[in-house]
Amino acid sequence: SYDLTQPPSVSVSPGQTARITCSSNALPNQYGYWYQWKPGQAPVVVIYKNNQRPSGIPERFSGSSSGTAVTLTISGVQAEDEADYYCQSADSSGVSGLFGGGTKLTVL
Amino acid sequence: QVQLQESGPGLVKPSQTLSLTCTVSGGSISSGNYYWSWIRQPAGKGLEWIGRIYTSGSTNYNPSLKSRVTISLDTSKNQYSLNLISVTAADTAVYYCARWVWGLGLDFWGQGTLVTVSS
Repeated sequence: SYDLTQPPSVSVSPGQTARITCSSNALPNQYGYWYQWKPGQAPVVVIYKNNQRPSGIPERFSGSSSGTAVTLTISGVQAEDEADYYCQSADSSGVSGLFGGGTKLTVL
Repeated sequence: QVQLQESGPGLVKPSQTLSLTCTVSGGSISSGNYYWSWIRQPAGKGLEWIGRIYTSGSTNYNPSLKSRVTISLDTSKNQYSLNLISVTAADTAVYYCARWVWGLGLDFWGQGTLVTVSS
């Protein structure tokens, strides 16, 4: 089991909206981060501090937080968005890092 | 551009010590507000945070591994290391080193190295 809970898979058709939620009791007190991981490549931060998008990340990627959950939303999904997505945060003390189990996004 | 590269034995016997090194290029590990981290991924599973070391040398470890893990800095070689004692088959995984920037996340990663625990 993982300290951050996220669905193992999400499937959407091109142009649709994909939402991946990550939940943990620590999240109200800690920031959430989202990583996109494609085979053979290094993970890339797509969202930091719950809802901030790094430069170079397409605007279709957005993040939000509510209570014990953070959500990654990809609007107008494209084939190139197919990847594994991991949420990451910290325990309530902020000392120990935590990862979710990963979500495989399939673009149908 | 910062680059990280893991190195170390690919095969470790049960009960022995797993030792890996991460060589950092393109930046100094002893300056800046960075945490130099270790993460692992068993085959077919998700990521597990192992621990991190700050540029000052202070460390934080995953509570589930804390009794077996040591992370250290070698500023003369611009490297940091992971030692995991008393390994079992459950420690078989791809091990990654990565740089953590508070507020930005893990921005640079190594390519990962597979460590198998087997006799």
